[in-house]
Amino acid sequence: QVQLVESGGNLVKTGGSVRLSCATSGFTFSDYYMSWIRQAPGKGLEWISYISSGGDDIYADSVRGRFTISRDNAKKSVYLQMNSLRAEDTALYYCARESRKSSSFDSWGQGTLVTVSP
Amino acid sequence: KFMLTQPHSVSASPGKTVTISCTRNSGTIGTNYVHWYQQRPGSSPTTLIYNDDQRPSGVPDRFSGSIDSSSNSASLSISGLKTEDEADYYCQSYDSSSRWVFGGGTKLTVL
Repeated sequence: QVQLVESGGNLVKTGGSVRLSCATSGFTFSDYYMSWIRQAPGKGLEWISYISSGGDDIYADSVRGRFTISRDNAKKSVYLQMNSLRAEDTALYYCARESRKSSSFDSWGQGTLVTVSP
Repeated sequence: KFMLTQPHSVSASPGKTVTISCTRNSGTIGTNYVHWYQQRPGSSPTTLIYNDDQRPSGVPDRFSGSIDSSSNSASLSISGLKTEDEADYYCQSYDSSSRWVFGGGTKLTVL
């Protein structure tokens, strides 16, 4: 079955960097667009980045210029390089697969927690 | 850019029907599909409704989605409420300017 497993979350200091990974299985990864979506503690969902199957990327205003999404179709994985981290970046980060039928997200990982401390 | 506004919380008794609204503040609700997710405590979101009113396989028909152009809003209705329906519910839509937008979420309490 479809699986998305995030890793790489950590406690980092303000201004620091972290790289998240999302390993996938159970589907033809190269056929799908992928996104990163985050959820601050006790808050709602916020889409932050997207990558097409061919590598075109899009970012939310809140992270543009600081975060970089990438993918390795051979490794069936998507990544998020997060630089210049701020306290407001503290969140659970999900990778999600975009449905081929719609602009919805039909599969989500379990999330990986990034905590940015002063 | 548009925003989607949901009520912070709703509540109802087991067996009853509850409706959660999702109002778009600019642009027309019917221009872009609306999707709905359920997030139980401690779990990742799962899709309940996609493309306004479509249910993925495995989602009970107690869950239904609709669009109301007159109020520029989408709605998620849950009938025959069960205690297991207690969760957070999020609407989501997309356009080429705002990209993927989520509503703020609604906490459903089944009393």
